[in-house]
Amino acid sequence: GAVVSQHPSRVICKSGTSVKIECRSLDFQATTMFWYRQFPKKSLMLMATSNEGSKATYEQGVEKDKFLINHASLTLSTLTVTSAHPEDSSFYICSASGFEERPYEQYFGPGTRLTVT
Amino acid sequence: GQQLNQSPQSMFIQEGEDVSMNCTSSSIFNTWLWYKQDPGEGPVLLIALYKAGELTSNGRLTAQFGITRKDSFLNISASIPSDVGIYFCAGQRAGGGNKLTFGTGTQLKVEL
Repeated sequence: GAVVSQHPSRVICKSGTSVKIECRSLDFQATTMFWYRQFPKKSLMLMATSNEGSKATYEQGVEKDKFLINHASLTLSTLTVTSAHPEDSSFYICSASGFEERPYEQYFGPGTRLTVT
Repeated sequence: GQQLNQSPQSMFIQEGEDVSMNCTSSSIFNTWLWYKQDPGEGPVLLIALYKAGELTSNGRLTAQFGITRKDSFLNISASIPSDVGIYFCAGQRAGGGNKLTFGTGTQLKVEL
């Protein structure tokens, strides 16, 4: 149990275009989903927290107009990188939590490698 | 943002050896989690700890929630080549809601 998928696993886009990344909880209902960014050989950096049906809460320094997050259902959250630039190239990972008895356990997707040319 | 201090930063050990790594903080944490991340993949949850002093095992892995609630330890016994990867501790901080704070990571390399 507690499987999270992400799509796509890898994407290359041109500077100025937008890219959407999907995160799905496959076998449980995710009341909360998290989006992280990870640079090579670095730890995970939390970008935002989203609860189903409400606006995402962004971490300090993360532009909410650039990184649009939608959590429309209990199994799906999307991250849209708008007007992407080369500096947005990174590994983006989502996680989901939703077990009442284990509220702080987060289950991660496999990640999405974004390259902006 | 705040990160947890993990040590060692990296380890190069022989197959069959036992491994220890730890995670420390200046803040109190209510929950400690240990994850393993393989290259190009998302982290996988290994062990979750909920009470100060708690000692929990998962196969060859054993983790402890420090009594002070400011640290946690992970031990791997009889390491094998597939233990290679980066291990992250993560904590849910008192007053921090349901967000996790992640450690800086310990990279484990196993020599055959």
